[in-house]
Amino acid sequence: DIQMTQSPSTLSASEGDRVTITCRASQSISSWLAWYQQKPGKAPKLLIYKASSLESGVPSRFSGSGSGTEFTLTISSLQPDDFATYYCQQYNSYSWTFGQGTKVEIK
Amino acid sequence: EVQLLESGGGLVQPGGSLRLSCAASGFTLSSFAMSWVRQAPGKGLEWVSVISGSGGSTYYADSVKGRFTISRDNSKNMLYLQMNSLKAEDTAVYYCAKNRGQLVPGWGYFDYWGQGSLVTVSS
Repeated sequence: DIQMTQSPSTLSASEGDRVTITCRASQSISSWLAWYQQKPGKAPKLLIYKASSLESGVPSRFSGSGSGTEFTLTISSLQPDDFATYYCQQYNSYSWTFGQGTKVEIK
Repeated sequence: EVQLLESGGGLVQPGGSLRLSCAASGFTLSSFAMSWVRQAPGKGLEWVSVISGSGGSTYYADSVKGRFTISRDNSKNMLYLQMNSLKAEDTAVYYCAKNRGQLVPGWGYFDYWGQGSLVTVSS
């Protein structure tokens, strides 16, 4: 199976900060990568698909980039609603896997 | 409006069985692959299984292969997960999730999720 490694595991930031989360794949996954946001007790929400395509309705402060094995999710100006856990997910082959998650906390 | 509503979770003893159901509405179920994704308490997300729109193709995570069976009834707008030989490590919230499209490369991500159903495996 393809292993997905996110860094950092926890990130402390303030409102208005620019935040970057990294996701690395154990082998090339082309651009078959999605990002999700999850808040406590809630289902995940799709933010980004195909590495850099913004899901409809998602604020433009969220952006994704990368291809191959290294990907990033950037929040350009952190808002109060953005404090949550973020997961990457690869769908290169029919054994889809998630990263372990990055929790974005209030500094 | 797309809605996914899971049911069937609960407490089961190790070695036991349980069937989860997911009622889908707001879209044509047969046009989309559907998946189950689980989350153990305090842990991350784990994809469990996917089924094609017609039900003719299925895939499973190694951790559940041979024990879990995914199925669907498009006429009833229902998705199912039959779980047998349950283990303590299967304890999790199980989410029903809609894939973006059919079971083809490039559509292996999830654009809608249910609220989840808790399965607890314990004696």
